[in-house]
Parts: sequence; C-alpha cells; structure tokens
Amino acid sequence: AQSVTQLDSQVPVFEEAPVELRCNYSSSVSVYLFWYVQYPNQGLQLLLKYLSGSTLVKGINGFEAEFNKSQTSFHLRKPSVHISDTAEYFCAVIAFSGGYNKLIFGAGTRLAVHP
Amino acid sequence: GAVVSQHPSRVICKSGTSVKIECRSLDFQATTMFWYRQFPKKSLMLMATSNEGSKATYEQGVEKDKFLINHASLTLSTLTVTSAHPEDSSFYICSARPSINEQFFGPGTRLTVL
Repeated sequence: AQSVTQLDSQVPVFEEAPVELRCNYSSSVSVYLFWYVQYPNQGLQLLLKYLSGSTLVKGINGFEAEFNKSQTSFHLRKPSVHISDTAEYFCAVIAFSGGYNKLIFGAGTRLAVHP
Repeated sequence: GAVVSQHPSRVICKSGTSVKIECRSLDFQATTMFWYRQFPKKSLMLMATSNEGSKATYEQGVEKDKFLINHASLTLSTLTVTSAHPEDSSFYICSARPSINEQFFGPGTRLTVL
C-alpha cells in the first residue's frame, strides 16, 4: 500500500528566508505526486504536481519541487518566503496498481513565516 | 482550474438529527468524487469514493450507514451524516476528479453537533 510521510509537522522560518518542506512516499508502482496548500478554514489549493518528465516541477506562488525516484522523495522548496505563505502544506500521492488510484495525503506541515 | 462548491459552508445541528452536505462540480463532469474528513490540525482522511450511478466505496472503519453518500448526477454528490453526534463534528471536504491527474477540492463544510 502507498503511504506519504511528511517529516516535519511544523517549520518556522523568517520572512525572505528559503524553506524546504520534506516529503517521502512509499510505493512499489508508478506514482503521481502533488503538493497542496490549505489556508485556515478553507479547502485545498493545488501548488504543483509531478506526473512524468522533468523531475523539477514549478508551481504557483514561486514554489517548486523535485521528484527523486531513488530516494522516493518530493520535497517542496521556495527561495524566499512571505508572511502570506503561512499555511498548512500537504504532500499527496496517487499510486497506480490495477485501478487503485486514491489520493492519499501526508500528515501535513505547518509553515509559519515570521517577520 | 476547475471549481468545486460545497453547501453549506458551516452547519450547527442538534445531536440525533441528520445533516446533508452537497458537493458540486461547477464547470466539469465528474464520474468520481471523494469525501474527506479533517480533524483539527490533522490531515485529510479519505472516507469514501463516490461513483455516479453506483454505490459508494467506503474506506475501512467508515460506517456506511452513518455516512450516506449519493452521487445522483455527474456534477452532484451528497453526504448525509445520519443521527449526528458530537463526535461527528469535523471539517468535511469533497473533491472531484475530471481526469486521473487532476483533483479539485471544495472549500469544506464545518459541522458542529451540539
């Protein structure tokens, strides 16, 4: 079965500093990988996704992520964060195995950007 | 991106009553919709997969008689929490998938059972 591990439950960072949110997945089959952001009391917004091709994926709001198959990782990065980036970030995976294609989420990482 | 709406956004009800939550895909058709539950400061837990014209597929541990799902059309799925109790209070989020590599989420419904 597939699973997603987000290694940090909280990441505090100062404004304009770089940030990396870590995500590792477990799956024996090919996967699609996603990062979503959730602001308080709202649904989820897609930041970026990896389906195939280039392992470096660029998303909205200046975020990017790199798919590393050998390390089964899909870490999210931003070179300079803003106060408005404070939110909950979820890594998610769809694994393909005979029709098993549910989107499974990691536990989430709370990004807190401080002035 | 595509838009998924949920109604109501917030509902407060008395213990023992039933509550219906609607999920609509506004500008695309979705043969499959998903219902998630999110506890405070926690991740999204998949409750069930809603399939248009057929029975929903529930995840292990989710009571199908408690959480009734109906996918009446290609743009509408409903979740009914029957005989709600305080422990059912949560944030319920639906999503719809127009294609295998895209999944869009509704804004969520905050259910509070008194």
